Order: sequence, then C-alpha cells, then structure tokens
Amino acid sequence: NAGVTQTPKFRVLKTGQSMTLLCAQDMNHEYMYWYRQDPGMGLRLIHYSVGEGTTAKGEVPDGYNVSRLKKQNFLLGLESAAPSQTSVYFCASNSPGQRRYSNQPQHFGDGTRLSIL
Amino acid sequence: AQSVTQPDIHITVSEGASLELRCNYSYGATPYLFWYVQSPGQGLQLLLKYFSGDTLVQGIKGFEAEFKRSQSSFNLRKPSVHWSDAAEYFCAVGVTGTASKLTFGTGTRLQVTL
Repeated sequence: NAGVTQTPKFRVLKTGQSMTLLCAQDMNHEYMYWYRQDPGMGLRLIHYSVGEGTTAKGEVPDGYNVSRLKKQNFLLGLESAAPSQTSVYFCASNSPGQRRYSNQPQHFGDGTRLSIL
Repeated sequence: AQSVTQPDIHITVSEGASLELRCNYSYGATPYLFWYVQSPGQGLQLLLKYFSGDTLVQGIKGFEAEFKRSQSSFNLRKPSVHWSDAAEYFCAVGVTGTASKLTFGTGTRLQVTL
C-alpha cells in the first residue's frame, strides 16, 4: 500500500529554472496539500485542493502554482526558482470527516528535498 | 487566526525516563489537535489526535496526550522513553471549515541518551 508518493526525492536547480513536483495518492482522498518545511519554522501550507479541478492558496503561496487535474495527483510548480525556495516539500492528503467540518488526519509523503543555487 | 507554540526546541532525556513535550494553541473554537512524529529523512507520522470527548487520548508507540481547555494545552507524554523515540515531534491544530487545514508548531527535537 503506497499511500502518498512524492517524486522526485531530491533535486538541485539553478536560479530561474522551472520544475514540477508530483504527488500521487492511492487512498481515494478528496483533499490534498502542499507544505514546505524550513528549519525552526515547522510546516507551512503552500496550496491545497478540496477536489479534482479545484485549488486554493495557503499561508505561503507566492512563487508557486498547483494543479489537480486528476483526483489522485497534485502537482506543485515553480516557474522561476529562487534560492528562498530551497526547502523540503511535503505533500499530504485526507478526506472529510464523518461529521460536517470535522478533521481527519492527514497522511504525508516522504518529502522532496529541493536545493536552488 | 490559529497558532501553535512548542516552547521547547530541543529536549534530551535518558532512555527509560519519562517524557513530556509541551504544546499550546490559540484558536477561538474547539480545536482539533494532533501530534505527529518525524524521523530523519522521513515524512510525518500521526501519533494521536483529539477531536472531542475524553481529554486523555492514547496513541501509537505508547504515547498519550491530554487536552486541557483551561490552559489551551495539548501536551504529549510517554512514561518510559526508548532510544528509537529520538525524532522531531510536531503539534498541530486543525481548523473547522471546508478543508482540513492544519497549522503546525515549530517542532521539538528529542534526543535520547543511552
């Protein structure tokens, strides 16, 4: 049972290059999220999606774009990478709770370590 | 807006000793609270969660946490720490609404000495 799979696991980019991080989940979850983790700052939400074809901004969306064309996939794009985007990126997914507006735990991938020179 | 504070950046305990990791939250309504653990190079694994009901919740790996509304706290405890518990621990608060967004604390790194 794969759960949440992130590719690639590591990547080094030069400033100004573009790339896409892929997140795939096989749990039929409705919601998907992208976070970045930086030392001493915990995880911060970049963008999220509540269903296929929908996306929304999180806490730190600038410099990133996302797409959710298929329910199982959530893509995170960097159009013009900057050194400030050096981070570890985590994807997560979950589904709505049984009760309206309840929170179900999020399932996390193993992360993508991205360095921008 | 909601927030989470983990006042201890780094904690060192001896194997077999008890452990308490502190978490304080700020949120205007009844919170959904979570503790996650992250081993080096890995993603986050859920230890336990609080939604409602009994304020003492049991989790995996022998961990428990107690929700104290009056203190806005959700501290994580373990009676006897094992060397394999060395990791980073994150407390998070969930926000009610149309998406299950989480706000994380900055984490506490646990070191276990033998």
